[in-house]
Order: sequence, then structure tokens, then C-alpha cells
Amino acid sequence: EVQLVESGGGLVQPGGSLRLSCAGSGFTFGAYWMGWVRQPPGKGLEWVASIKQDGSDKFYVDSVKGRFSISRDNTRNSLDLQMNNLRADDAAVYYCARGFLTGYYYWGQGTLVTVSS
Amino acid sequence: DIQMTQSPSFVSASVGDRVTITCQASQGISNWVAWYQQKPGQAPKLLIHTASTLQSGVPSRFSGSGSGTDFTLTIISLQPEDFATYYCQQAHSFPITFGQGTRLEIK
Repeated sequence: EVQLVESGGGLVQPGGSLRLSCAGSGFTFGAYWMGWVRQPPGKGLEWVASIKQDGSDKFYVDSVKGRFSISRDNTRNSLDLQMNNLRADDAAVYYCARGFLTGYYYWGQGTLVTVSS
Repeated sequence: DIQMTQSPSFVSASVGDRVTITCQASQGISNWVAWYQQKPGQAPKLLIHTASTLQSGVPSRFSGSGSGTDFTLTIISLQPEDFATYYCQQAHSFPITFGQGTRLEIK
């Protein structure tokens, strides 16, 4: 059974940092594009970042460029999102998801990031 | 960036009705569109990819169509479990973008 389990969310002050992690199981992790999608409370979905199978290509939404960094370790079946200089508008549920061209079929349960002083 | 303009933002319908949701891309994206269903407190669920391919396990009352800039999600014979929020998403190029969402409520 394919599973994606996020961790690392929590309360952080504006300007602070958090590192989200996603543990994949039940599939060949290194064979798939992976990404992060977020959803502010009560709002719609926003793609955040994607990373190619071998980590050689990374893409970000403009609003997080220079602040967020996506990475993966295929030996540990893990995906990370390092988030620095967090702002109030970064507050959201962050989902880890598998896929790219044919959509995101597998999603994690989400981890909540709250940015507040 | 490719903008995905989804409409309507809200629709009220009854069990058994047919509902159509549209998404217009700001430029041609071939058939690189996916549709998702999301219920409160849950992660989105992929319904359709590449504009018209029904994901395995999704009921056949859901269908997708379109190519280029105009795309449609149709649900025939609405069931109680279909009342949710629906999103389109383009996978043609980065940044990946979603439509604003359509909330489907029971009349």
C-alpha cells in the first residue's frame, strides 16, 4: 500500500524556519516526481514545489523562491521542504504528493504550518 | 504563468442532477489537465488526468473533456457523496497552477 506521511509542521514566528519531511512507502520512491502542495485554511490549493526523480531538477512557485528548498533522499525514501523566513501568508496545510504530468494520485494527510507571533 | 479560470465558484444541485464545471487556461496546454475532488478535512482525490482519463476506481458518472484552453468536468446523476469542492490543475508547465475551486452543495 502506498503511503506518504508528512511531519514537521507546527507554530513558528514570522521570519522563522521549519523543515517538513515526507516519508514514502509502498512504492519505488526514486521512480517518481514528488511535490508539495499547500492549502491555507478555508482556501484553495496552491502548488509549492516539485523535484525530479533524481533530484536534478527543482521548481518553485514564485512566492517561495529563495526562501524554500525542496530536496529528496531516495535511499531513505524521504522528501523534505526547508522553509526559511516564513511569512504569515505561508500558513497552510502542507501536503506531500506523488506525481506530475498525470496529476497527483497519492497524497499525504497534510501537516499544518502556523506562522504567528 | 498559466492561469486556470474555473467556473462556477459555487453550484447548488440535487441528487440525480447533472453538473458541469469548466476550466479555461490562459494559453494552450494540450490535454495536461487534472481534476480533483476534496472533502472537508481530507486530502484532494484525483478523479481525472490528461483531461479525460478516468482514474482507476473513480465512478463512471465522472467524465472529463477538452483540449487546448477549454476543459470540462461533468458529473451525471449526482450522488450524495459527490457534494464536495472540485479543482482543476494544469500540468503542462511550471509553475503548476490550480483553478480557484468549485464548491458543489446540495440544493
